[in-house]
Formats: sequence, structure tokens, C-alpha cells
Amino acid sequence: AQSVAQPEDQVNVAEGNPLTVKCTYSVSGNPYLFWYVQYPNRGLQFLLKYITGDNLVKGSYGFEAEFNKSQTSFHLKKPSALVSDSALYFCAVREAGNTGKLIFGQGTTLQVKP
Amino acid sequence: GAGVSQSPSNKVTEKGKDVELRCDPISGHTALYWYRQSLGQGLEFLIYFQGNSAPDKSGLPSDRFSAERTGGSVSTLTIQRTQQEDSAVYLCASSFLGSNNSPLHFGNGTRLTVT
Repeated sequence: AQSVAQPEDQVNVAEGNPLTVKCTYSVSGNPYLFWYVQYPNRGLQFLLKYITGDNLVKGSYGFEAEFNKSQTSFHLKKPSALVSDSALYFCAVREAGNTGKLIFGQGTTLQVKP
Repeated sequence: GAGVSQSPSNKVTEKGKDVELRCDPISGHTALYWYRQSLGQGLEFLIYFQGNSAPDKSGLPSDRFSAERTGGSVSTLTIQRTQQEDSAVYLCASSFLGSNNSPLHFGNGTRLTVT
């Protein structure tokens, strides 16, 4: 069965520093991976998705994700964090089959301090 | 057009009452999903619609939960005889299933509080 794991409940980083939010996955077949962000009292906003063949995927708000097949990872990165990036981040994998359902990780809270 | 719309945004109800939550997906999206997010928890899948049929209901927690979709558009999630453990944010998402990397687009959710 497809699954994703986000090993960190919270990541703290100073404004202006690079940030990484980790995600590892387990899939049978090709991985269809996504990152979402959730601000307080809002739904999930799509950030980016893995494109087959691209090891570095660029998304919204300056975020990017690095795909590593040998480590089965899809870490979210940003070169310079902003205080406004503070939010809850979810990694997700599409379930095999034809429902299109996404399986989400438990989420990582990113706290960017000025 | 507009994004996924959910109503109400907040609902407070007494234990034992029935509630209906509404989702209006993005126009043209044939797939519709309901998820539940409890405080401090991740997202729990409830049910998936393709058109008006629900081929995957595996996440509905009990027979008190049901959902329908009409006209391939609006969906309603109904919770009968609500319990305090039903308190959560209920999120709806829609998608165009043209390819495996089509993302889900989420609404802002309905925050349900059962007192």
C-alpha cells in the first residue's frame, strides 16, 4: 500500500535561512507525490507535485522539492524562509488504482522566527 | 471558475442531532472527495465520488455517516445522531482525473463542534 511519512512534527528556522521539510514515501509502481500547505482556519493549498524525470520540482511561493528515488524521499525546500511561510505542511501520495485518492502524511508545522 | 466552496464554515450542534455539510466542487471536476481533520491529526479519507457514484466509501467511520452527490456536482455529507468524537474539520476536495498527477483542490472546510 502507498504511504508517506513526515518524521518531524515541527521544524523551526530563522527568517532568511534555508528550510527543509522532510517526507519519505513507500509505493508500488510510479510515485505520484504532492506537497500542500495549510494556513490556520483554511483548507489545504496545493504547492507542487512530482513530475516524472525531474529531480527538482519548483512550485508556488518559491518552494521546491527534491525527489530522490534511492532514498525514497521527496523533501520540501526553500532557499530563504519568510515569517509568512509559517504553516502546516503535508506531503501526500496518490493511492494506486483509479480513485485518485491521496494518502497524507501527519503534517509538519513550520515555524519561521524573525 | 471559483474554487471549491463549502458551507457552513462553522457548525455547532448538540449531541444527538443530525447535521448536513455541503460541498460545491470546481466546475468540470468529476472526482470529489471528503476528508476529516481532527485537532492535531492528519487528514483522514472518508469517501470518494466519481460522478454521482461512490466507488470508495471505505473511510466512513460508521453507519451514522452518509454522503450523496447529485448532478455530478454538489455533494452533501450527512452525520446522524452526532457524537462528540465527530467534532473535526470536514474538508472537501475535487479533481479532474485526467492524469495521475492531477492535484486535489480543497475547500476551506466546515468546522463541526458537537456539544
